[in-house]
Amino acid sequence: NAGVTQTPKFRILKIGQSMTLQCTQDMNHNYMYWYRQDPGMGLKLIYYSVGAGITDKGEVPNGYNVSRSTTEDFPLRLELAAPSQTSVYFCASSYLPGAPDDSGNTIYFGEGSWLTVV
Amino acid sequence: GESVGLHLPTLSVQEGDNSIINCAYSNSASDYFIWYKQESGKGPQFIIDIRSNMDKRQGQRVTVLLNKTVKHLSLQIAATQPGDSAVYFCAENRSSGGYNKLIFGAGTRLAVHP
Repeated sequence: NAGVTQTPKFRILKIGQSMTLQCTQDMNHNYMYWYRQDPGMGLKLIYYSVGAGITDKGEVPNGYNVSRSTTEDFPLRLELAAPSQTSVYFCASSYLPGAPDDSGNTIYFGEGSWLTVV
Repeated sequence: GESVGLHLPTLSVQEGDNSIINCAYSNSASDYFIWYKQESGKGPQFIIDIRSNMDKRQGQRVTVLLNKTVKHLSLQIAATQPGDSAVYFCAENRSSGGYNKLIFGAGTRLAVHP
């Protein structure tokens, strides 16, 4: 099972460059999320989506954009990269928003994308 | 503002001892809480969850306790092993604008010493 797949794993950007972090899931989950995690800190919700065509801001949306044209894909766009966006980014998905499924697992996380802006 | 946070940033225990990791939350409307484990260089892994209508839930070597009166959540790990060394996060399910979303706390690092 592929689960949640993120690309790229590592990326170095120059200030002002743009890039897209790709995320895809093969579990037919309605909900998808993007989190960022700064060193030694918890995860902060950037954007989330409750289904194709529907997205909403999380805790720290500034500097990012998302789209959800299909159930499977939820790309995160950085338009003008800034050093403050140096972080580890995690994509995640779930059937329901935080509610447990039969297996007890709720949100499934990708392996993370390490982004450095210099 | 409302938040989910942890009392202790780091916790050091001896192998074989029991560990208790604490978490305070302030949103009384949250209906669901989860504990995650994150090992270095990896994404968070689900450990155990609990609904707000429960006080206690047990898993394999782990127990989550929920005290709604004081808005406190704890994770107990029995017979802590070196493989338990990781950062542990509590998270709460919050409803906003008709949608639910998972908000994480800052995390506690658990260091298990032989």
